[in-house]
Amino acid sequence: ETGVTQTPRHLVMGMTNKKSLKCEQHLGHNAMYWYKQSAKKPLELMFVYNFKEQTENNSVPSRFSPECPNSSHLFLHLHTLQPEDSALYLCASSQDLAGVWYEQYFGPGTRLTVT
Amino acid sequence: DAKTTQPPSMDCAEGRAANLPCNHSTISGNEYVYWYRQIHSQGPQYIIHGLKNNETNEMASLIITEDRKSSTLILPHATLRDTAVYYCIVRVETSGSRLTFGEGTQLTVNP
Repeated sequence: ETGVTQTPRHLVMGMTNKKSLKCEQHLGHNAMYWYKQSAKKPLELMFVYNFKEQTENNSVPSRFSPECPNSSHLFLHLHTLQPEDSALYLCASSQDLAGVWYEQYFGPGTRLTVT
Repeated sequence: DAKTTQPPSMDCAEGRAANLPCNHSTISGNEYVYWYRQIHSQGPQYIIHGLKNNETNEMASLIITEDRKSSTLILPHATLRDTAVYYCIVRVETSGSRLTFGEGTQLTVNP
């Protein structure tokens, strides 16, 4: 138990569906991250939020829409996905102060299958 | 961030030391070496990090060569639960907390 929870743990959705992934951290961190891990590929950083503000978007398609209403919650809204978007989506959190590294704590991930 | 090279897979017998190598020949003076691991279908877990001195914690030891072009993560007494993908990441500490993961090494601990 890392203090970062993700729901749902598994999700199957059609290409025309709209769904949302939820992440919550109970660690008092101010930064939250979304990563994507496709089969046999390295983790890819998608989005970074710091104090609820998006600070990084790594050229992620607009069919993925993040939302960070407060420092404890992070959502990833999904719509009109493609089968190649099937992957493990991981959320992480950390302290993030300029010029200082802090350990990232990862959630268990949501296994997404797009049919 | 400097590029790292790790073997794609390694095997280790349970109870023996697991030595995982990482090459980072282009590392610069202000870049640290970080190790994370990811057990199957779980999120990555921080293990250890260091700059130039050897480091040890309750999980592992990190040995960095004097020229800092390579390092070795040592799990002193590997258990079946240590079976995971191990990632070596080199980065500047002052660039915040973001991480860039490579392919890693799949360590399989055999009974």
